[in-house]
Amino acid sequence: GENVEQHPSTLSVQEGDSAVIKCTYSDSASNYFPWYKQELGKGPQLIIDIRSNVGEKKDQRIAVTLNKTAKHFSLHITETQPEDSAVYFCAASILFLTTDSWGKLQFGAGTQVVVTP
Amino acid sequence: DGGITQSPKYLFRKEGQNVTLSCEQNLNHDAMYWYRQDPGQGLRLIYYSQIVNDFQKGDIAEGYSVSREKKESFPLTVTSAQKNPTAFYLCASSIDLTRFRPQHFGDGTRLSIL
Repeated sequence: GENVEQHPSTLSVQEGDSAVIKCTYSDSASNYFPWYKQELGKGPQLIIDIRSNVGEKKDQRIAVTLNKTAKHFSLHITETQPEDSAVYFCAASILFLTTDSWGKLQFGAGTQVVVTP
Repeated sequence: DGGITQSPKYLFRKEGQNVTLSCEQNLNHDAMYWYRQDPGQGLRLIYYSQIVNDFQKGDIAEGYSVSREKKESFPLTVTSAQKNPTAFYLCASSIDLTRFRPQHFGDGTRLSIL
């Protein structure tokens, strides 16, 4: 089955600097890669996702890049702000209609991001 | 506002006791999921349901049971057979199980052992 590794486990950045989180996946058939942000005591919230037919996607200060050959994808947060402090999870999934892989997401272990003013 | 409501927020279980976690959604989503989250680990899938009266085991279903009698509701029972139930439990839903449909999460229930 799919295995997703996420690095680093913790990341401290100064406000205004950039943060980068990297994930690698094992199953070359994976074709959907979402990123979730989880604030303390809350459930994860989808912040951006990318499909395997796209190499990069941006949404304001966040961007995700995908390298299918190397089987890794990364989250980039620019101009970090204190409200970006949270745990970020990457995930990978095969989204096609087979009995074994209906919407199942395989998550990385998470990255605790701390933005200091 | 549409969303996923999990209750209670905190739950305590005695040894040998079954407890049920509630999950309700008003998003009109067909698919619903239960995940377990442990410190320093990613989310692990317990059970998922594609439609009413149908559900499938996830990666760590042992010691858990679910039902899906209504589209809006997907309760999870943590049975006494689950020997290490202390964790943060998350319910999620998605429109359906076709391609590129993101999952939306509730705010979780934290279960502890007395």
